[in-house]
Amino acid sequence: GENVEQHPSTLSVQEGDSAVIKCTYSDSASDYFPWYKQELGKRPQLIIDIRSNVGEKKDQRIAVTLNKTAKHFSLHITETQPEDSAVYFCAASKNNNDMRFGAGTRLTVKP
Amino acid sequence: GAGVSQSPRYKVAKRGQDVALRCDPISGHVSLFWYQQALGQGPEFLTYFQNEAQLDKSGLPSDRFFAERPEGSVSTLKIQRTQQEDSAVYLCASSIRTGTTEAFFGQGTRLTVV
Repeated sequence: GENVEQHPSTLSVQEGDSAVIKCTYSDSASDYFPWYKQELGKRPQLIIDIRSNVGEKKDQRIAVTLNKTAKHFSLHITETQPEDSAVYFCAASKNNNDMRFGAGTRLTVKP
Repeated sequence: GAGVSQSPRYKVAKRGQDVALRCDPISGHVSLFWYQQALGQGPEFLTYFQNEAQLDKSGLPSDRFFAERPEGSVSTLKIQRTQQEDSAVYLCASSIRTGTTEAFFGQGTRLTVV
């Protein structure tokens, strides 16, 4: 089955700096790669996703890049703000089946 | 309701007790997922339904775990003879099969086995 690895496990940045989180996946048939943000005690919520026919997608301060050949994808957050502090999870799935998550990255944005 | 609803929000069970966790997905959502999330970890896949069909149960950790979705809507995750290592948050998510594949999560059920 699919195996998703995520790095780093913790990330601390200064407000205004950029943050990058990286994930690799094992199943070349995976075609959908969402990123979720989970605040303490709350449910994971989708912040951005990318499908396998696209190499990059951007939504305001958030962008995701996908390299299908290398089987890795990354989340980029620019101009970080304290409210970006949370745990971020990447995931990979094929045909919306068996969505598998990475272990998570705890992002802390210091004011 | 507008979102995925799970009940109960919190459950304390004595070791050896059976528990049943309920998930009400968003109306019309075909896909339903169950995940187990240990403290500080990512959601671990347990099982997946498409309508009433359980298409993948490879993530269920033992035969003490059982999930059903008999009418293709509400789903129940049952854990028999609970053990301390079953303590976790159990998350349910649903998604509409066609168009978008975004999965919407419920608030989860925090199970504590004492």
